[in-house]
Amino acid sequence: QQKVQQSPESLSVPEGGMASFNCTSSDRNFQYFWWYRQHSGEGPKALMSIFSDGDKKEGRFTAHLNKASLHVSLHIRDSQPSDSALYFCAASEGGIASSSFSKLVFGQGTSLSVVP
Amino acid sequence: VTLLEQNPRWRLVPRGQAVNLRCILKNSQYPWMSWYQQDLQKQLQWLFTLRSPGDKEVKSLPGADYLATRVTDTELRLQVANMSQGRTLYCTCSGRDWGPYAEQFFGPGTRLTVL
Repeated sequence: QQKVQQSPESLSVPEGGMASFNCTSSDRNFQYFWWYRQHSGEGPKALMSIFSDGDKKEGRFTAHLNKASLHVSLHIRDSQPSDSALYFCAASEGGIASSSFSKLVFGQGTSLSVVP
Repeated sequence: VTLLEQNPRWRLVPRGQAVNLRCILKNSQYPWMSWYQQDLQKQLQWLFTLRSPGDKEVKSLPGADYLATRVTDTELRLQVANMSQGRTLYCTCSGRDWGPYAEQFFGPGTRLTVL
């Protein structure tokens, strides 16, 4: 069973519009969440991290985390054609003694297309 | 600035043949090195994290068998064997002050296609 469920599978928004992605985890050990973006032919690149409940805003990007429901979301306002890419949420476990900090568990990804 | 170099960047692999991949770390401030695979459906999956020279691990997953080796502080290797489905392998690195807050940086990847 997928431990991090991501939706939607694909999304098309007009240039200037809002794009939103959602992830829900089934594992309460996951305490740290990331959003990664992957352009075609490249490796994934971290967009944002979020570790505390609430919103975190960085420019056009806003992430939201609700630890009680294990739900994390990403919103992109004023979407640009250059935002067209695969978006992944990723989670990792907490704990000082954890040896699995480098083990990110990824959602299935959302393919975003921003149409001019 | 490129943190990771991977080679080869792509490879055609005859069925039943093993292939060896290399990853070179360009900045020693990010010593925690890992391998991830991305399958044809674009699903990313962690494989290994190797911190110290001499560390070795093996793993069998649907579609491929893996042997990872931390050769030096700056070189990570991966042998892929018995591959039945194509995939892309990514090397990653994260910081000295590692932990859950440390960002992982992905290399450009090695794309493997089964002949």
